[in-house]
Amino acid sequence: QQQVKQSPQSLIVQKGGISIINCAYENTAFDYFPWYQQFPGKGPALLIAIRPDVSEKKEGRFTISFNKSAKQFSLHIMDSQPGDSATYFCAAKPQGGSEKLVFGKGTKLTVNP
Amino acid sequence: DAGVTQSPTHLIKTRGQQVTLRCSPKSGHDTVSWYQQALGQGPQFIFQYYEEEERQRGNFPDRFSGHQFPNYSSELNVNALLLGDSALYLCASSLGSEPVYFGEGSWLTVV
Repeated sequence: QQQVKQSPQSLIVQKGGISIINCAYENTAFDYFPWYQQFPGKGPALLIAIRPDVSEKKEGRFTISFNKSAKQFSLHIMDSQPGDSATYFCAAKPQGGSEKLVFGKGTKLTVNP
Repeated sequence: DAGVTQSPTHLIKTRGQQVTLRCSPKSGHDTVSWYQQALGQGPQFIFQYYEEEERQRGNFPDRFSGHQFPNYSSELNVNALLLGDSALYLCASSLGSEPVYFGEGSWLTVV
């Protein structure tokens, strides 16, 4: 079964610091890797996404790094702010016509002021 | 530009009852997917609708069914509710495969 493993489960960072969340997948049949941010009581909001032909993508303070050979991808949040405190999910979409997203279990980020 | 809208936002049902959840996709989107998110877990794919037909289904029993209307809106129906069906039900829409946008969800509590 295709799986996406996410770590750490929880993360505490000081304001201004860098938050790093890692994900790994177990087979190569994924072709789209989005990250979602979810606040309590809300639905997941698309943050940033990458395809495997790109090694890095940056949007504002958010950067995805992708290592195809290691089957790993990570989210870096630069200059973390208390407003970034939320649960972050990585996901992957299988290639070959499958339309579903396979999600990691999430990382609860707390940014202390 | 309205995003993905879902109704109701919260509801409480009794075991054995049936529930219908509704979703309007983001403007311009033609594909609707439904996900179940248990507390503390990532969303799990239930099924996807495109051109009013179920295109793909996840590992959910037949008690879970859906429908897509000509205006692309969609319904999720769950029959014979179990306590374990208590979760946040998320609707997601896209134009083609991605990007995928989620609604705020419908919180279902089964008692």
